[in-house]
Amino acid sequence: GAVVSQHPSWVICKSGTSVKIECRSLDFQATTMFWYRQFPKQSLMLMATSNEGSKATYEQGVEKDKFLINHASLTLSTLTVTSAHPEDSSFYICSARLLRGDSNQPQHFGDGTRLSIL
Amino acid sequence: QKEVEQNSGPLSVPEGAIASLNCTYSDRGSQSFFWYRQYSGKSPELIMSIYSNGDKEDGRFTAQLNKASQYVSLLIRDSQPSDSATYLCAAGAGSYQLTFGKGTKLSVIP
Repeated sequence: GAVVSQHPSWVICKSGTSVKIECRSLDFQATTMFWYRQFPKQSLMLMATSNEGSKATYEQGVEKDKFLINHASLTLSTLTVTSAHPEDSSFYICSARLLRGDSNQPQHFGDGTRLSIL
Repeated sequence: QKEVEQNSGPLSVPEGAIASLNCTYSDRGSQSFFWYRQYSGKSPELIMSIYSNGDKEDGRFTAQLNKASQYVSLLIRDSQPSDSATYLCAAGAGSYQLTFGKGTKLSVIP
């Protein structure tokens, strides 16, 4: 159980293109999903927290107009990297927490999306 | 500021030995603790969770929690080369968000 699907797994595109990444919880409902970015040999960096039906909460230094997040249902959140540039090339990973009364639930991660901007 | 501290490593152990990974956390309100394994180029994978003081065993893995010392550890018995990865410690304090450590890189030498 607790499977998180992320799509696509790999994207190569030209500078200036917008790229949409989908994160789905397949067998559970998730009120909260998280978006991380990870550069090579570095640790996970939380970009934003996505709450179903409301605006995402962005971490300091993350441009909300650059990284658009939509969480329209309890099983789907999307991250759109707008007008992507080479410095946006990274490994983007989503995670989701099970919807339950208690908050002692782990985060379950998707397989990640490797984004390369040429 | 909630923090989770881990030694970045690398921690090298010979095959068959016990690998010991440690983690400390700053928020005394933390109630849930998790260990994730991340292979190079892959996303993190949950391997253990622990909520109360003491030991929790699952196969070759044992998680240990000491809330008084704000300390969490993960022991891997009979370490295998396939255990070579970065191990992330995470703590939750009742909110929706977990605080992750930067991870400890483990290398198991054949």
